[in-house]
Amino acid sequence: AQSVAQPEDQVNVAEGNPLTVKCTYSVSGNPYLFWYVQYPNRGLQFLLKYITGDNLVKGSYGFEAEFNKSQTSFHLKKPSALVSDSALYFCAVRFNTNAGKSTFGDGTTLTVKP
Amino acid sequence: GAVVSQHPSWVICKSGTSVKIECRSLDFQATTMFWYRQFPKQSLMLMATSNEGSKATYEQGVEKDKFLINHASLTLSTLTVTSAHPEDSSFYICSADLRGQSTDTQYFGPGTRLTVL
Repeated sequence: AQSVAQPEDQVNVAEGNPLTVKCTYSVSGNPYLFWYVQYPNRGLQFLLKYITGDNLVKGSYGFEAEFNKSQTSFHLKKPSALVSDSALYFCAVRFNTNAGKSTFGDGTTLTVKP
Repeated sequence: GAVVSQHPSWVICKSGTSVKIECRSLDFQATTMFWYRQFPKQSLMLMATSNEGSKATYEQGVEKDKFLINHASLTLSTLTVTSAHPEDSSFYICSADLRGQSTDTQYFGPGTRLTVL
């Protein structure tokens, strides 16, 4: 069975500092990995994905993530955080052998303080 | 591109009534749509997979007679919460796949807040 872990419920950073939101996964085979962001009372917005190729993936709003197969991680990063980045972030894994279902992590609340 | 809408965005209803939530892919065709519910500050719980022209596939523990799903066209799936009760109050989110791309990005609707009194 596939699973996704986001070990931190909450991440707090100061504006202008780098941020990291962690994600690890447990799957068999080659996963498709995603990061989504959710603002209050809204649906999820796509940030970036890893399908294949370069392990460093760049996405929307200056976010990037690095796929690390040996550590089974896909941490989300941004060099300089903005207050507007404050939101709930979800890591997800997807397989085409599982009827296209996604498995989501429990989410990490990012708070960027001015 | 790849915009998914939901209607209504919020609804308040009395216990025992039925509520229909629509999920539309506005600028693409979606063979498959997914319905989730989300409790405050929690992750998304998959309720069912909605396939155009066929019956929905429900996750274990989700009552198919209570949460009726209809995927009548490639751009519309509906979720009807029948005989709603206060415990059905939640945030319901749908997502859609670009046709034929079941391993690619899911596109999410903005969600529907259901409150049952």
